[in-house]
Amino acid sequence: QVQLVESGGGLVEPGGSLRLSCAASGFSFSDYYMIWIRQAPGKGLEWISYMSNSGRTIYYAESVKGRFTISRDNTKRSLYLQMNSLRDEDTAVYYCARESTGRSIDYWGQGVLVSVSS
Amino acid sequence: QSALTQPASVSGSPGQSITISCTGTKNDIGTYNYVSWYQQQPGKAPKLIIFDVSNRPSGVSNRFSGFKSGNTASLTISGLQTGDEADYYCGSYTSGDILLYVFGTGTKVTVL
Repeated sequence: QVQLVESGGGLVEPGGSLRLSCAASGFSFSDYYMIWIRQAPGKGLEWISYMSNSGRTIYYAESVKGRFTISRDNTKRSLYLQMNSLRDEDTAVYYCARESTGRSIDYWGQGVLVSVSS
Repeated sequence: QSALTQPASVSGSPGQSITISCTGTKNDIGTYNYVSWYQQQPGKAPKLIIFDVSNRPSGVSNRFSGFKSGNTASLTISGLQTGDEADYYCGSYTSGDILLYVFGTGTKVTVL
């Protein structure tokens, strides 16, 4: 079955960096576009970054553009999110997810908490 | 790019039907049939329940149905059950700015 497992979250001070990883299994990872989505505590969902299956097409939400970098390694079936210059407002649960038909998101990881605080 | 607009809360009694609206613009819902709906139980990841406006993934109850008219999409839950109590989010492909996808503001469904 399809599984997406995030790791790398934790507590970091403002201005710091973290790298999230997402290990995929149960499907042909290199065939799918992948997405990072976050959810601040008690808030709604925010689509933040997207990478095509080849890695050639990338998009970022304005809220993270210039600070976050998405990447993938199809040989390792893994998706990454390098987060730099972290701010208090980046505190959220970060989900790795798979894009499916019509840009829908058919599988989500369990999420990993990133807390930015001094 | 603004989030799609949903009512903050909707409630109903067991067995009733409820409808959640999701209002966007001509840059998203009004032009593309790429509206999805997600159910999020407390403490869990969201789950896809409707894609491409009105299609259900395998395994999703036919009590969930989707519809679109103009810039507004809607999700109807028929035969409401206590297990349907959750947060519901719509989402849509968008051509506005450079953002590819936008979520709704979310609706808390309460079963009375």
